[in-house]
Amino acid sequence: DVKVTQSSRYLVKRTGEKVFLECVQDMDHENMFWYRQDPGLGLRLIYFSYDVKMKEKGDIPEGYSVSREKKERFSLILESASTNQTSMYLCAIRGVDEAFFGQGTRLTVV
Amino acid sequence: SQQGEEDPQALSIQEGENATMNCSYKTSINNLQWYRQNSGRGLVHLILIRSNEREKHSGRLRVTLDTSKKSSSLLITASRAADTASYFCAFRSNAGNMLTFGGGTRLMVKP
Repeated sequence: DVKVTQSSRYLVKRTGEKVFLECVQDMDHENMFWYRQDPGLGLRLIYFSYDVKMKEKGDIPEGYSVSREKKERFSLILESASTNQTSMYLCAIRGVDEAFFGQGTRLTVV
Repeated sequence: SQQGEEDPQALSIQEGENATMNCSYKTSINNLQWYRQNSGRGLVHLILIRSNEREKHSGRLRVTLDTSKKSSSLLITASRAADTASYFCAFRSNAGNMLTFGGGTRLMVKP
């Protein structure tokens, strides 16, 4: 079974804090993705990576950065959290076709 | 990237009835996939249909694809309360390597 693990299910942070969301996979896949999911807006791609130390901007990268130092780990960073970044964050990996998702992190910025 | 559109946005049915969800897209696709999301959880892959296929079955799931109309439908037959979830279509275009997701349909199956 494919395993994609996100470090936290729920997170509450203060405005201005630096926030790290971690995602670890056990499948040796190259492709890793970070999405945010908001009611009425579906899944929106923030950043993705096709290889170690490689990153590409998705549709809504503003306010975020990523790090991929090892193949199995893809981190999403909120440099200075803001209340409009309160959302559900989903990490995914993808083989040839099918995507596998982590359980999601519900982040609240207060 | 352009999202797909799903309708209805929400669907409420009785247990035992069939549920049909539709997805439309605007580009040429390599394949189209359907995912399920239980409340507050990640998405789980259900079924994939390739652009050269018209219909596919998996258990109580039936997916159709009409590339001329750029649309797909997911039919869940004999629904159960445990089918209550959100369902998303996702497609991979011929032009790129990305998966683009629709907005989802929230299905509620009442016991």
